[in-house]
Amino acid sequence: DTAVSQTPKYLVTQMGNDKSIKCEQNLGHDTMYWYKQDSKKFLKIMFSYNNKELIINETVPNRFSPKSPDKAHLNLHINSLELGDSAVYFCASSQGGDNQSPLHFGNGTRLTVT
Amino acid sequence: AQKITQTQPGMFVQEKEAVTLDCTYDTSDPSYGLFWYKQPSSGEMIFLIYQGSYDQQNATEGRYSLNFQKARKSANLVISASQLGDSAMYFCAMREEPGANNLFFGTGTRLTVIP
Repeated sequence: DTAVSQTPKYLVTQMGNDKSIKCEQNLGHDTMYWYKQDSKKFLKIMFSYNNKELIINETVPNRFSPKSPDKAHLNLHINSLELGDSAVYFCASSQGGDNQSPLHFGNGTRLTVT
Repeated sequence: AQKITQTQPGMFVQEKEAVTLDCTYDTSDPSYGLFWYKQPSSGEMIFLIYQGSYDQQNATEGRYSLNFQKARKSANLVISASQLGDSAMYFCAMREEPGANNLFFGTGTRLTVIP
């Protein structure tokens, strides 16, 4: 009955590879997000997406692309991985338009690029 | 400019004592929401408490309360009767504007509860 689940929990890969992280939520929320948490624990928004629009943080390299097959899923694809991509990636969801709606986070995916 | 500032990288508190974690924010929007999250060493992000900019009273959730001082733009988290399990990173976050979705996070405070 996990609310927001993301897989895999750990991902170790080499530079230059392409990888995906999957995210699913069963909360009925209409907005999903990807956040990156760096080694200093700073959480930075990468994308937010609902049925109507994708909002991309302009600092995110275009090697990163979100893909949403339906309202309950928002996967993250990363092309040509670089060492600096090593971080913990969090998927989250909320009820869009509701200012009081907190973000519900998945447990994170620790990506290590070697 | 930083939207959320947490000036305490680390805090220590004796078990059973109360502790205040500081958070100041910067926004020109009259309507905004403030959130606190806990991140234990296991890594998950746990929502603790919410305060709306128009709320007249300070939010409370069990042992957590929010000391909201709108004129000072501060939203400090107070944890009463600290427990060992409260040891974690604590993040303050803000959502601006009605309809905006993203939460902007502060840099966090690492709280250590001493037995």
